[in-house]
Amino acid sequence: GQSLEQPSEVTAVEGAIVQINCTYQTSGFYGLSWYQQHDGGAPTFLSYNGLDGLEETGRFSSFLSRSDSYGYLLLQELQMKDSASYFCAVPNRDDKIIFGKGTRLHILP
Amino acid sequence: GEEVAQTPKHLVRGEGQKAKLYCAPIKGHSYVFWYQQVLKNEFKFLISFQNENVFDETGMPKERFSAKCLPNSPCSLEIQATKLEDSAVYFCASSQLGDTAGNTIYFGEGSWLTVV
Repeated sequence: GQSLEQPSEVTAVEGAIVQINCTYQTSGFYGLSWYQQHDGGAPTFLSYNGLDGLEETGRFSSFLSRSDSYGYLLLQELQMKDSASYFCAVPNRDDKIIFGKGTRLHILP
Repeated sequence: GEEVAQTPKHLVRGEGQKAKLYCAPIKGHSYVFWYQQVLKNEFKFLISFQNENVFDETGMPKERFSAKCLPNSPCSLEIQATKLEDSAVYFCASSQLGDTAGNTIYFGEGSWLTVV
């Protein structure tokens, strides 16, 4: 089976940096993705890591360590609009994406 | 279209009634996925299609849920005899390729089903 673990909530201050961790257990590994979901909105794709290392996209970066079955999403220069839920996700061998339970990010002014 | 379009946005049904949700994938996308999200929690995979063919239906509670993707029509997800626990947001997503590893899937805004 597959499972993903991530913290349920994280709080940070505007302008700061925050890291959201995700550990996974999968039968077969095909990469780790991150999605953002604002309240009442659709999940939107943020990043994908197929190989170990850091992928950077503007203020957001994502890291993967396959040997540790671990990844994280790093958000820099936090803005109030970054308040949302963040989901790590893995595709399985049947090409359906399995999502974690999501991390609710609270940003304080 | 350039976005995944889901209708209706909100739907209220009495327990035992039927609910039908629709999804138009992005033009040119061959793969459609349905997910159920209860109370802003995790997404539960229901079913996926490759064009009009069921690709994976391992998440579907088959006794009451059914789904179709017919040519030249929006895809649909139907729930017969709804139960209170079916109250959730149902997201449709589409993808150009079936290989979801590294391939972005695009979600619609969701259909909020409330069963009372």
